[in-house]
Amino acid sequence: SQQGEEDPQALSIQEGENATMNCSYKTSINNLQWYRQNSGRGLVHLILIRSNEREKHSGRLRVTLDTSKKSSSLLITASRAADTASYFCATTGNEKLTFGTGTRLTIIP
Amino acid sequence: DAGITQSPRHKVTETGTPVTLRCHQTENHRYMYWYRQDPGHGLRLIHYSYGVKDTDKGEVSDGYSVSRSKTEDFLLTLESATSSQTSVYFCAISEGGAGNNEQFFGPGTRLTVL
Repeated sequence: SQQGEEDPQALSIQEGENATMNCSYKTSINNLQWYRQNSGRGLVHLILIRSNEREKHSGRLRVTLDTSKKSSSLLITASRAADTASYFCATTGNEKLTFGTGTRLTIIP
Repeated sequence: DAGITQSPRHKVTETGTPVTLRCHQTENHRYMYWYRQDPGHGLRLIHYSYGVKDTDKGEVSDGYSVSRSKTEDFLLTLESATSSQTSVYFCAISEGGAGNNEQFFGPGTRLTVL
């Protein structure tokens, strides 16, 4: 069964707007990771946030983690057409990642 | 794709035939993983390896076997392919365990079982 569940399943916004995706999970984690997948391609790692961190930034990406609510959010600021992709959260125990079902983000030019 | 190749990239086969997918890395990473991706399910772990000849099962391992005789190669075998194994298969690698390391993914293999 999936550990992480993303919300919404699909999101369409205008170029330049901010996009927010959420991830909820069920059990305790070591860390949480976000990945992007462009159509027909493999996944690309975006950011890793550890269980003792609350917020992390990488360029236009901002990730938050609330372990008390077992949830994380990914914010993409000033979206671009190239951000169109599917985004997955993945939670980790020790050696394995468990992926959610993803959010499909479409940026409208 | 971070020094990871998968072969073949596309394969169509018939029910009951054996199929082997190959993942090859040039990064000398210790960990290698096989996932399958299906609509509505995201990525699910089939098997993974934490060293040469060291492998373990993932979430959906039934019907699949793996082998790793060299650091750079991780093979996924479907002994007798079924239509339910039609999917896109991704290989991934990481320097250490997923608990603290990002994974790098290959380009995927699209397998169709008729």
